[in-house]
Amino acid sequence: SQWGEENLQALSIQEGEDVTMNCSYKTYTTVVQWYRQKSGKGPALIILIRSNEREKRSGRLRATLDTSSQSSSLSITGTLATDTAVYFCATGTGGYKVVFGSGTRLLVSP
Amino acid sequence: EAAVTQSPRNKVAVTGGKVTLSCNQTNNHNNMYWYRQDTGHGLRLIHYSYGAGSTEKGDIPDGYKASRPSQENFSLILELATPSQTSVYFCASGEGCQNTLYFGAGTRLSVL
Repeated sequence: SQWGEENLQALSIQEGEDVTMNCSYKTYTTVVQWYRQKSGKGPALIILIRSNEREKRSGRLRATLDTSSQSSSLSITGTLATDTAVYFCATGTGGYKVVFGSGTRLLVSP
Repeated sequence: EAAVTQSPRNKVAVTGGKVTLSCNQTNNHNNMYWYRQDTGHGLRLIHYSYGAGSTEKGDIPDGYKASRPSQENFSLILELATPSQTSVYFCASGEGCQNTLYFGAGTRLSVL
């Protein structure tokens, strides 16, 4: 199905645990972006990974990219309650168009 | 501070009425986007623009029109609003080869 039409996946974990979220994309892309959306706000970029990179780290965040399987993952280590949000991956499908995946709702309990 | 500002933040409209959602960006970005987000779902692209005077159809353009009169402003127009268009609408701007998007706070639209 087209991205964005599927239901959000949901994950519920305890503070301090590590978590990994996955996404797959359907068309060639030069970069995969991961966004976080907190309740009542618009999404905001947290990390991006280019097609010539297999892994990218930023603080507690780690993104991976497998262009052969057209998939990416986002890992958060040592989660905090403030990591509670919806996480989306997004790709450029050529030119200006940016398409988002269906997202993962992460609930981190103290 | 550079920002994307949407107005109104909340709107209640009647079926068959005309609705205009406005977006202003001070990022000086060429690209602007309109997405809708339904409860429990992701973001779906309605229209986008790569510069003043241009509009392009996204993945779900039916029932929507867009207008980009200037670099800063991008509007989404519902000529004949329907209850199925009840949703939260997000505007974003972006630029560069990575085209990172900067989002507004969203407009919650209810069509009764």
